[in-house]
Amino acid sequence: DVKVTQSSRYLVKRTGEKVFLECVQDMDHENMFWYRQDPGLGLRLIYFSYDVKMKEKGDIPEGYSVSREKKERFSLILESASTNQTSMYLCASSPTSGSSPYNEQFFGPGTRLTVL
Amino acid sequence: AQSVTQPDIHITVSEGASLELRCNYSYGATPYLFWYVQSPGQGLQLLLKYFSGDTLVQGIKGFEAEFKRSQSSFNLRKPSVHWSDAAEYFCAVGNFGNEKLTFGTGTRLTIIP
Repeated sequence: DVKVTQSSRYLVKRTGEKVFLECVQDMDHENMFWYRQDPGLGLRLIYFSYDVKMKEKGDIPEGYSVSREKKERFSLILESASTNQTSMYLCASSPTSGSSPYNEQFFGPGTRLTVL
Repeated sequence: AQSVTQPDIHITVSEGASLELRCNYSYGATPYLFWYVQSPGQGLQLLLKYFSGDTLVQGIKGFEAEFKRSQSSFNLRKPSVHWSDAAEYFCAVGNFGNEKLTFGTGTRLTIIP
């Protein structure tokens, strides 16, 4: 069974802290994504990675950075957490369109982050 | 640029009644279309997808969706809902060669006894 896992289901941090959210997939997918989900706004793409060490900004990259040192792992970093980053964070993966034109994404369970 | 509209923010349906959730997309070529479901506190699970061929697509949990090119719609239906169908539903659109999907803002479904 395909799987995307995220390191924490719930996380509470203080303003100004550096926060790491980890995502691991076991499907050998090339693409990995970080989304932020807020009520009424749906899913908004923060960053996208299409290969190891490769990344592309999404719609709302400000205040975030990412790291992909291994194919299966994609990390989201909040350099200095702020209260407006309190949200649900979802990680997803998909095969590259070169191997499969059907770009279905597989999601992890999400991390609910609260910044106090 | 592609976009997705889910015009209903919240829908309430009685258990056993039929359901239709609306999704409209904007994209010039033939899109790839998806419906995902998110149970409370969970990630998104794929219900069904459309790429080409038969415009009526069957999915998991008894859901189906119909692609109507003339209306730019991909509405999700279920003939009889169960209490366990209470969740948030997201429509998404992609296209060939584009690694990313565009998601709608979601429709929250409440089931009443």
